[in-house]
Amino acid sequence: NAGVTQTPKFQVLKTGQSMTLQCAQDMNHEYMSWYRQDPGMGLRLIHYSVGAGITDQGEVPNGYNVSRSTTEDFPLRLLSAAPSQTSVYFCASGGGQLTPNYGYTFGSGTRLTVV
Amino acid sequence: KQEVTQIPAALSVPEGENLVLNCSFTDSAIYNLQWFRQDPGKGLTSLLLIQSSQREQTSGRLNASLDKSSGRSTLYIAASQPGDSATYLCAVRGSSNTGKLIFGQGTTLQVKP
Repeated sequence: NAGVTQTPKFQVLKTGQSMTLQCAQDMNHEYMSWYRQDPGMGLRLIHYSVGAGITDQGEVPNGYNVSRSTTEDFPLRLLSAAPSQTSVYFCASGGGQLTPNYGYTFGSGTRLTVV
Repeated sequence: KQEVTQIPAALSVPEGENLVLNCSFTDSAIYNLQWFRQDPGKGLTSLLLIQSSQREQTSGRLNASLDKSSGRSTLYIAASQPGDSATYLCAVRGSSNTGKLIFGQGTTLQVKP
């Protein structure tokens, strides 16, 4: 049981480049989310999804795009990377309305540097 | 807007001490509360999940309590060990269960041998 898998673990981008951070879960969780973690700012929600085909914005959505075509996958797209997007990104999945007793499980993170 | 606060921001204790970490939230209408541990450079590991109808949960040397009416949760660590050194985060899910988790800033714990 792999849990939540994030790829890549490390990435360096040049300003203006685009890329996709991958996230996959094998626990059949309904809910999935993306967070970024910055020193002094804690964990901030970027986008989240309550099921396949349904996504919504979190606290800091600008510059990021998501889609959820399957229950298992929730990729995060950086449209045009900026130095302010240098951060550690975490994907998480958790139980929803059907499985309310399941808490959230986090991936190991992607450390992104934009130069 | 839900806000989550953790006090203290940092804590240093000698090995063997029992300790309490605090988490407070401004909106008592929560679905559940989850405590996580994060080691430096690593992801978050779930420690305990307390549903809104529960008062406490226990796992080994850890005990988490929840008082919704006062907007507080505590994480009690018994007989602390150097391996307990990490950052501890609490997160609340709102009562509408939209899936949003709101995090506190965390308490960084150092247990000295």
